[in-house]
Amino acid sequence: AQSVTQLGSHVSVSEGALVLLRCNYSSSVPPYLFWYVQYPNQGLQLLLKYTSAATLVKGINGFEAEFKKSETSFHLTKPSAHMSDAAEYFCAVSGDTGRRALTFGSGTRLQVQP
Amino acid sequence: DAGITQSPRYKITETGRQVTLMCHQTWSHSYMFWYRQDLGHGLRLIYYSAAADITDKGEVPDGYVVSRSKTENFPLTLESATRSQTSVYFCASRETIGADTQYFGPGTRLTVL
Repeated sequence: AQSVTQLGSHVSVSEGALVLLRCNYSSSVPPYLFWYVQYPNQGLQLLLKYTSAATLVKGINGFEAEFKKSETSFHLTKPSAHMSDAAEYFCAVSGDTGRRALTFGSGTRLQVQP
Repeated sequence: DAGITQSPRYKITETGRQVTLMCHQTWSHSYMFWYRQDLGHGLRLIYYSAAADITDKGEVPDGYVVSRSKTENFPLTLESATRSQTSVYFCASRETIGADTQYFGPGTRLTVL
């Protein structure tokens, strides 16, 4: 069965520092991979997605992620953190279930210190 | 307004009561989903629907019932609420399967006393 592991339930960075949120996946078929962001008391919003085209994917708000098949990873990065980036981030995979549903990781809460 | 809406946004109920959470989307997306969000678990799929009158179980379906008589609506019913069903519930929709973006509603925070 497909699965997602997000390493680190909480990540804290200083404003202006690099953001790195880790995601590893498992899928028996070539996966589609997604990063979603959730701001307090809101639903999830798509940041970016990998759908077997370019392995480096650029998303909204300056985020990007690189698909590495050999490492089964899809880590999310942003060169310079902003206070407004503080939120919860979820990695998700669509693969084994006939690509019908997403399987989510447990989430990483990003804190940005001034 | 176009989009996906959920009602109510907040609900408090008692153990054993029946509760229905509503979800409505205006895009005519074929696929609709219900997830629950709990600390440490991320989002877990309860049920999904590929079209009107077609539904299927997800990862955690026990204690829940769904129906989809119209494309735009996908209500979730807790037949006899339990405290373990206290959670935040998200509805989502998608035009097709695969790489399409899944759009989420704002969520319903349900507390079962």
